[in-house]
Amino acid sequence: NAGVTQTPKFQVLKTGQSMTLQCAQDMNHNSMYWYRQDPGMGLRLIYYSASEGTTDKGEVPNGYNVSRLNKREFSLRLESAAPSQTSVYFCASTREGTSDTGELFFGEGSRLTVL
Amino acid sequence: GNSVTQMEGPVTLSEEAFLTINCTYTATGYPSLFWYVQYPGEGLQLLLKATKADDKGSNKGFEATYRKETTSFHLEKGSVQVSDSAVYFCALSKTGANNLFFGTGTRLTVIP
Repeated sequence: NAGVTQTPKFQVLKTGQSMTLQCAQDMNHNSMYWYRQDPGMGLRLIYYSASEGTTDKGEVPNGYNVSRLNKREFSLRLESAAPSQTSVYFCASTREGTSDTGELFFGEGSRLTVL
Repeated sequence: GNSVTQMEGPVTLSEEAFLTINCTYTATGYPSLFWYVQYPGEGLQLLLKATKADDKGSNKGFEATYRKETTSFHLEKGSVQVSDSAVYFCALSKTGANNLFFGTGTRLTVIP
């Protein structure tokens, strides 16, 4: 039972390079999320997708783009990476949004370092 | 706005000690409250929740009571184990909002 799968788990980039973080869930969830986790700041929402075909900005969207490719997949793209984007990124999903049960299912995280 | 404040860590306890991790919140209306746990190298997972005032959430020996009068949701466990070593996050969700607001996390280390 895979749950939420993120790739890659680790990545090192140089400033200005681009990359895409991939996320897929096999729980038939409608809502998917991208968070970043930084020391002393907890988790902050970057973007979310309430349902297939929709995306919305979260608390810290600048420098990122997302694509909800289909119901299963939600990717996060850094077009021109900056050192401030060094972080651990988590993808999460839930059946119908957090106001329903509040239970988010998280992937294992992707650790990104931008030099 | 909506926010969650957790006690600063890290917290180090001996096995079988009593644990309290404080959490207070700011929100309009009646949010739902959650505790998530993150074990080393893993993503977060829901530990317990409470959806209305005076509710008590419990799981794996952990408990937290939704106190509206003090806007608090403190996490407690009577006897911690080494396997409880993890980072604990308090969070809230507002009805109609499609997001969880997380606290900064509290790292717990339990030593034998």
